[in-house]
Amino acid sequence: DAKTTQPTSMDCAEGRAANLPCNHSTISGNEYVYWYRQIHSQGPQYIIHGLKNNETNEMASLIITEDRKSSTLILPHATLRDTAVYYCIVRVAENAGNMLTFGGGTRLMVKP
Amino acid sequence: GAGVSQTPSNKVTEKGKYVELRCDPISGHTALYWYRQSLGQGPEFLIYFQGTGAADDSGLPNDRFFAVRPEGSVSTLKIQRTERGDSAVYLCASSLGGGSSYEQYFGPGTRLTVT
Repeated sequence: DAKTTQPTSMDCAEGRAANLPCNHSTISGNEYVYWYRQIHSQGPQYIIHGLKNNETNEMASLIITEDRKSSTLILPHATLRDTAVYYCIVRVAENAGNMLTFGGGTRLMVKP
Repeated sequence: GAGVSQTPSNKVTEKGKYVELRCDPISGHTALYWYRQSLGQGPEFLIYFQGTGAADDSGLPNDRFFAVRPEGSVSTLKIQRTERGDSAVYLCASSLGGGSSYEQYFGPGTRLTVT
């Protein structure tokens, strides 16, 4: 699976949009971009994933550049409960089990 | 519905002892994963089950680690002759299938401390 690069930490003001970047310059055409987050003392939680089109769900939006070498996770109105470590992961799109390969993630601190 | 559950939530053991960690996946999920997370790091893959069989155990660090899933539901991670370096949070995840399009749901983890 391709390697990802994320900033170590970011701050965001409560109520503002949080934009979390991820570089995956070696991504292959058959790899999805996944985002998970981990709130303190909990297991990781799935947020969203996409292949090449932008995606939106009730939690977030995922913007993938046209060349697919980077993406941005957007939390439109961050709350204090969004404080967590956010992991960007790329996975091969095969119909076979494969693990999630976590990097260090971005520690997002939402401040009042 | 019920999520992934793991027991115990915390386990303290002495170096050299044997421990078992249990995972109850979401009902109907055929795929089950074990991960290990050391302090300040992201989770690391240990083993993946599809049904009753271990489809990928490439992440197990050595032969002291073993996992089973005899009936294709509950799984047990077993660690023999524990070492202080085994101290970590052990996470279990399950998914409806094994492919990349399936979301993995994680349990809260078991915090193992080896003294």
